Amino acid sequence: DAGITQSPRHKVTETGTPVTLRCHQTENHRYMYWYRQDPGHGLRLIHYSYGVKDTDKGEVSDGYSVSRSKTEDFLLTLESATSSQTSVYFCAISESLIGLGYTFGSGTRLTVV
Amino acid sequence: GESVGLHLPTLSVQEGDNSIINCAYSNSASDYFIWYKQESGKGPQFIIDIRSNMDKRQGQRVTVLLNKTVKHLSLQIAATQPGDSAVYFCAENMYSGGGADGLTFGKGTHLIIQP
Repeated sequence: DAGITQSPRHKVTETGTPVTLRCHQTENHRYMYWYRQDPGHGLRLIHYSYGVKDTDKGEVSDGYSVSRSKTEDFLLTLESATSSQTSVYFCAISESLIGLGYTFGSGTRLTVV
Repeated sequence: GESVGLHLPTLSVQEGDNSIINCAYSNSASDYFIWYKQESGKGPQFIIDIRSNMDKRQGQRVTVLLNKTVKHLSLQIAATQPGDSAVYFCAENMYSGGGADGLTFGKGTHLIIQP
């Protein structure tokens, strides 16, 4: 998706290992979000950021941490991956509080074995 | 492909017909709404949005209708094409007084186009 890239696109990892997913934007948007998407649950917010070094927890934050050291990058870390964290992870960016320009990345499919 | 379409309501329409996808939103204070389209293996894509001070907004082949009285949003797709096959979901945001935690998303409807 233009202006927002996620890496890696696919990852298989073992239970108990740390994993970091990266979201990179070139839009200079203030707001960034991490979601997970699972069948029957839709998109659920993990963490979000409203500025550099400003982050907060979402609906399903347990087992996840985030960092935003610069405007363009928002990192999601699974501190010790579990099978329940097997999911598709999406990053989103927004230029305003209302949600204008709310754009998603292409996603990262993470499998924890 | 993605398994996000499992367990979702399904709407099956003939190619060329009009499609209407419905969404009931949760917060009467929400004042901004977006419809997204998600194809298999891809991220959600913006289709059209509407502010709460409007009842209707039209785009290219799509129309969004907002009924605040019953908290209902609908997406109409004219002359449905095979490329319209996807999961569609609505999102809402309570701008006035809302925090920075972004949009609230519906579970979605799987639109299937029959040839």
